[in-house]
Amino acid sequence: AQKVTQAQTEISVVEKEDVTLDCVYETRDTTYYLFWYKQPPSGELVFLIRRNSFDEQNEISGRYSWNFQKSTSSFNFTITASQVVDSAVYFCALSESLADTGRRALTFGSGTRLQVQP
Amino acid sequence: DAGVTQSPTHLIKTRGQHVTLRCSPISGHKSVSWYQQVLGQGPQFIFQYYEKEERGRGNFPDRFSARQFPNYSSELNVNALLLGDSALYLCASSLSAGRTDTQYFGPGTRLTVL
Repeated sequence: AQKVTQAQTEISVVEKEDVTLDCVYETRDTTYYLFWYKQPPSGELVFLIRRNSFDEQNEISGRYSWNFQKSTSSFNFTITASQVVDSAVYFCALSESLADTGRRALTFGSGTRLQVQP
Repeated sequence: DAGVTQSPTHLIKTRGQHVTLRCSPISGHKSVSWYQQVLGQGPQFIFQYYEKEERGRGNFPDRFSARQFPNYSSELNVNALLLGDSALYLCASSLSAGRTDTQYFGPGTRLTVL
């Protein structure tokens, strides 16, 4: 079975600090996809990034960056110069093969709650 | 363009009752997936539908059922509600059900079972 572990339950930082959210995954698939979603208090999951297992290049988007390391099965997310608006629960997810149809469902970690204090 | 929409926003039911939740995908998306998110946990996969056919099912009892309509909207039905069914129910849509597709989520329906 596939598994996603987000060991950090809650992180609290002061505005403008950098923060890294950890994600470790387990899968037997040779081709898979990893995702990060943000869930603000409103509840809607907001898509942030998708990464396939063949692409180990790091990605930067504004203040956000992602570090994918296949050797350690990790896909960590860094927010640079955090802001109060970054306060939310962040989920890492792994696309999972549904054996009978080959379709994909998402396996989520338990999430990391980030609190950015002004 | 409108995102994924879900109705109702909130719902309160009592044990043993039945509930129907509705979802409209992003225009052009043909696949809908349903997830259950219990407080303090990550979403858990319930169903995936594509072109009106069930393409996958998570580890949920037969009290949970769903369907997809010709316009690609979807309903999730839960019978004989239990207290443990209290959760945020999230609908996600994607272009197809393929491995490369990103799922975009709606705001969810918060179900409370008393």
